[in-house]
Amino acid sequence: GQSLEQPSEVTAVEGAIVQINCTYQTSGFYGLSWYQQHDGGAPTFLSYNALDGLEETGRFSSFLSRSDSYGYLLLQELQMKDSASYFCAVSGTDKLIFGTGTRLQVFP
Amino acid sequence: ETGVTQTPRHLVMGMTNKKSLKCEQHLGHNAMYWYKQSAKKPLELMFVYNFKEQTENNSVPSRFSPECPNSSHLFLHLHTLQPEDSALYLCASSQAMRTSGENEQFFGPGTRLTVL
Repeated sequence: GQSLEQPSEVTAVEGAIVQINCTYQTSGFYGLSWYQQHDGGAPTFLSYNALDGLEETGRFSSFLSRSDSYGYLLLQELQMKDSASYFCAVSGTDKLIFGTGTRLQVFP
Repeated sequence: ETGVTQTPRHLVMGMTNKKSLKCEQHLGHNAMYWYKQSAKKPLELMFVYNFKEQTENNSVPSRFSPECPNSSHLFLHLHTLQPEDSALYLCASSQAMRTSGENEQFFGPGTRLTVL
């Protein structure tokens, strides 16, 4: 079967750094994506990792280890607007499989 | 208008009603998707269309019927739904899936469906 695991909830304060982990078990793996979804909003694409290592995009970075079937999203210099749900998703042959999502709450 | 749009944004229907959800993308993409999002559950892929051909039906009950008349439009026809079908239904589009796997999907705002 296919499954992705993420923590259900993470809390942090403004200015802090938070890491959201994702472990997966899938067939036909091509890469790992991350999406952000604010309450009442649509998921929006954040990053994609096909190769091992760290990809940095501004305050957000994403990491992948294919041998460990593991990745994470790193959010730095947290801001209140970062409060949202974050989903990892595995790219298969012709579709994305999403994790259950991690709800991040940022406090002042 | 740009991006991915969905109508209606909210829908309340009885179990005997027939209704349709509409999705339109203005991004020139060739693949479109329907997802169901329920509380405390991952996004569930329902249907995939690549170049107007259905390539995925993720064991969805027949009371949900998709239609893709062209690469810009996607419909989800609903009939005799159950209360447990109440959820947020999201449409997404992307460039057609490639074997490389990178497939940034652009989502619409969703239709919040309530089945009474």
